[in-house]
Amino acid sequence: DTGVSQDPRHKITKRGQNVTFRCDPISEHNRLYWYRQTLGQGPEFLTYFQNEAQLEKSRLLSDRFSAERPKGSFSTLEIQRTEQGDSAMYLCASSLAGLAGALSFGPGTRLTVL
Amino acid sequence: GQNIDQPTEMTATEGAIVQINCTYQTSGFNGLFWYQQHAGEAPTFLSYNVLDGLEEKGRFSSFLSRSKGYSYLLLKELQMKDSASYLCAAYSGAGSYQLTFGKGTKLSVIP
Repeated sequence: DTGVSQDPRHKITKRGQNVTFRCDPISEHNRLYWYRQTLGQGPEFLTYFQNEAQLEKSRLLSDRFSAERPKGSFSTLEIQRTEQGDSAMYLCASSLAGLAGALSFGPGTRLTVL
Repeated sequence: GQNIDQPTEMTATEGAIVQINCTYQTSGFNGLFWYQQHAGEAPTFLSYNVLDGLEEKGRFSSFLSRSKGYSYLLLKELQMKDSASYLCAAYSGAGSYQLTFGKGTKLSVIP
């Protein structure tokens, strides 16, 4: 079990730049999620994929955020025209169909927008 | 809407038992999940309840009362390594796959 991996682990960018993060889920898991976490808060749901289909997006998700999972394996999360408020830990998680809610989280990508 | 409440911080002594409470108000409910998160690390899944009652898993147990919108996580024989944040999360189901997390309870275990 290699676990969920994310790349990069840290990203520092200037306001207005675009950033892209990658997530590789556990290979047998067909469900993939993106969450965002800021200091002192619990993770906040961003979006959910089942295989390659994006089935749910948070209503709070800005149009500047887009996610893909083109072949039902890895996923990318892109943030366009970054703002300082986007600074957070971006967590990817995966799970098997069955027990929704039992997620395996990756180590996260920490984004700092200057 | 969704609202999850849990205490911000707790302190307990090594070897003791601690109970971390969580109350929830959700528009739908299909399960309550507990995660552990050490500082600077990702959350790890600990336990879950779908039906009322107690679920035991080694030193960790979790309880749910659906009628009261209440859950707790019980940690026995506390060890220093249990110092972490404990996150309560509700799963609403009904076509949604998202977990709604509380802000977490930071547990400090002291000698």
